[in-house]
Amino acid sequence: DTGVSQDPRHKITKRGQNVTFRCDPISEHNRLYWYRQTLGQGPEFLTYFQNEAQLEKSRLLSDRFSAERPKGSFSTLEIQRTEQGDSAMYLCATTDRSGNTIYFGEGSWLTVV
Amino acid sequence: RKEVEQDPGPFNVPEGATVAFNCTYSNSASQSFFWYRQDCRKEPKLLMSVYSSGNEDGRFTAQLNRASQYISLLIRDSKLSDSATYLCVVNEGGGFKTIFGAGTRLFVKA
Repeated sequence: DTGVSQDPRHKITKRGQNVTFRCDPISEHNRLYWYRQTLGQGPEFLTYFQNEAQLEKSRLLSDRFSAERPKGSFSTLEIQRTEQGDSAMYLCATTDRSGNTIYFGEGSWLTVV
Repeated sequence: RKEVEQDPGPFNVPEGATVAFNCTYSNSASQSFFWYRQDCRKEPKLLMSVYSSGNEDGRFTAQLNRASQYISLLIRDSKLSDSATYLCVVNEGGGFKTIFGAGTRLFVKA
């Protein structure tokens, strides 16, 4: 499978715990994005990497959220001290150099109880 | 005002019907436009790009009206398999400036 892959696909955690999601992008795509999607809404932009550099962060990304892409390949999104409002699907996506068409992974579903 | 607005629906149509969705966007400098399809609990997938001249892909036709800042999607001869949420997507320049609408839900019934 040469698409965007995410892990884990589902995560249930207790409030206050930390969680980490991983994204493995399409290999030739150097741009990587994280989005969050809640029920009845479209995906909301969280952050953007070009290679290993984090170039843009949404104001939605509070200080409990951190994302890394250490070698310009896979990326991780960590949420510390989770809250019930963090429950959502976290989508990773990549684009080629044109930056137009976005290819999404299957998403990581987070439920905070 | 939201950056990208769509009628959330749901649109309930019989098989074979023609259905149209509209979407408006607020940034007149937006550069590229797309329709994505999203099935329940799945990731969004690109349906088609939208060009100023209009474009067609089988039963699907997309149009862009820059003057009025709206995008449309027309589905002809609806199939049961067309049931999904259709997301209007606007790129304001650069991949990270991609804004998604909240989606329009379509149910096609036999």
